[in-house]
Formats: sequence, structure tokens, C-alpha cells
Amino acid sequence: AQSVTQPDARVTVSEGASLQLRCKYSYFGTPYLFWYVQYPRQGLQLLLKYYPGDPVVQGVNGFEAEFSKSNSSFHLRKASVHWSDWAVYFCAVRASSGSWQLIFGSGTQLTVMP
Amino acid sequence: EAAVTQSPRSKVAVTGGKVTLSCHQTNNHDYMYWYRQDTGHGLRLIHYSYVADSTEKGDIPDGYKASRPSQENFSLILELASLSQTAVYFCASSDGAGEGERLFFGHGTKLSVL
Repeated sequence: AQSVTQPDARVTVSEGASLQLRCKYSYFGTPYLFWYVQYPRQGLQLLLKYYPGDPVVQGVNGFEAEFSKSNSSFHLRKASVHWSDWAVYFCAVRASSGSWQLIFGSGTQLTVMP
Repeated sequence: EAAVTQSPRSKVAVTGGKVTLSCHQTNNHDYMYWYRQDTGHGLRLIHYSYVADSTEKGDIPDGYKASRPSQENFSLILELASLSQTAVYFCASSDGAGEGERLFFGHGTKLSVL
């Protein structure tokens, strides 16, 4: 069955520090993967998406993610975190058929300390 | 930028009452979705639609009905609201069933059933 696991419910980093948010997926075949961000009191917004090809994907606001088939992972990274990055981050995989829905992980709450 | 508008932004309902959540999109998208978000969980698909006057069940359809009277509008109906349906509900739209297609989300509706 297709699924996404985000093992860290909460991550706290200092402003200016680097960031990695982890995502593991379960999918038969080649997955289409996404990272969405949810700022306080807002809906989800797309950060980046992976199509089969270059394993490193660039997104908005300095975010990037790296796809690894061998590790079944799609971790999100940022070199220098800003206070405005305080949000909940969701990893998702596209279902292979039927609804073509996005299957979401449980999310990671990012807290940025001054 | 694509727009998905949900109403109301928040609602308090009584157990056993009827609740209707509305969603309107101006993206000319064929697909529309209703997701439910619970604390500590990712988004889970309740119902979706790929054409007007037709709806499909998602992963957790029990206790919910959906209606798609036009391409632009998609409603979620709770005929007999229960305490367990307290959650944040998100509507989303997408252009089609392509695996790389992104979803555009509304701001969400916070529903409290008392």
C-alpha cells in the first residue's frame, strides 16, 4: 500500500541554522512526491514536487529535497532557516490510480528559535 | 494564482445536527477534493469529484456526503454531526489526473461539534 511516514512530529532549530525534515515513502514503482507547507491559519501551499529525473529538486524560498529510491526517502532541506519558516510541513505521494489523490504524512511542526 | 474559497471559516455545530461546508474554485479545474485534518495526523481524503453531478468516495467517507452541482462548487454534508467529526476540513482542486499535478487548497474550515 502507498504511504508516507514523517518520523519527526516536531523539529526545533535556531534561526540561521540548517534544516532537514525527514520523509519516507512506500510505493510500488516510481513515485511522484510533494512537499507542502501550512502556515498558521492558512491552507496548504506547494513547496516543491519531484518528477522522475534529477533526484534533487529545488523549491520556493530556498528549500530543496532529495529523492532516494534506495532509501525510499524524500527529505526536505534548507541551508539557513528564517523565522518565517515556522509552519507545519507535509510530505505527500500521489496515489497511482483511482482518485489520483495525494496521500499525506502526518506532518512536522517546525519551530524556529531566535 | 488559482483560487479555492471555503465557507464558513469556522463553525460550531450541535451533535445530531446537519452541517454543510461549501467550496468554490475559480481555476476551471475538473478535480475537487475534501480532506479532513486531525491533530497529529496528515490529511485524509473523504470524497472527491472529477466531473459535475458526480462524486466518489475517498478513504474515510462514512458519515459524510458530497455534492458537485457544478464544476466550480463542491459541498461536504454531515447529515447527523457527531463529536468525532470535530476537525479542520480542507477543500482542494486540481487540473486533472496527471501524476505530477499539484493540488490547490482552500484556507480550511474549523468545525467543532458539541
